[in-house]
Amino acid sequence: DAGVTQSPTHLIKTRGQQVTLRCSPKSGHDTVSWYQQALGQGPQFIFQYYEEEERQRGNFPDRFSGHQFPNYSSELNVNALLLGDSALYLCASSLLGRGYNEQFFGPGTRLTVL
Amino acid sequence: GNSVTQMEGPVTLSEEAFLTINCTYTATGYPSLFWYVQYPGEGLQLLLKATKADDKGSNKGFEATYRKETTSFHLEKGSVQVSDSAVYFCALSGARPRSNYQLIWGAGTKLIIKP
Repeated sequence: DAGVTQSPTHLIKTRGQQVTLRCSPKSGHDTVSWYQQALGQGPQFIFQYYEEEERQRGNFPDRFSGHQFPNYSSELNVNALLLGDSALYLCASSLLGRGYNEQFFGPGTRLTVL
Repeated sequence: GNSVTQMEGPVTLSEEAFLTINCTYTATGYPSLFWYVQYPGEGLQLLLKATKADDKGSNKGFEATYRKETTSFHLEKGSVQVSDSAVYFCALSGARPRSNYQLIWGAGTKLIIKP
């Protein structure tokens, strides 16, 4: 049973560029959440997708956008990159019907903005 | 709003010592509580969970009890090993059907175990 997978593992971009990160959820899961984790800090919630719609969003600007596909995989897009966007981006999947929000995480994508 | 407070690290212990990492929370309703662990260079792994008051989560020798009266979910282990060195995160999530699906995280506690 494959867990949550993310690609790419590492990415280096320059300020002003755009980036797309990808996530495939754990088999049987239908919900994908994205988090940003700066070095030495806890994760910060970006948004969550279910049934191809954004269900909830954290305190992130519109430069951060996402998409969920019919196969439940998801993309995170960040436009007009800033130096402060350098972080580990984590994808987590879960099953909406479960009574509690147990999320399984992928290994993350390390984004460096120069 | 909901929040999680963890004891600051790093916590440095000798092998076979007793471990406690404190976690307290503020939340409306009845959240679910989690401990996640992050080993160096890796993603987050769910260590244990508790979904209602007085539940005890346990895994790999770690335990935590959901104490609603003290709004706490302290992580404990009776005898730590060098391999337990990692960053530990306490987190909560609102109970469904309330629409609070995000995980709220503590800042993390770095644990260093010396042989």
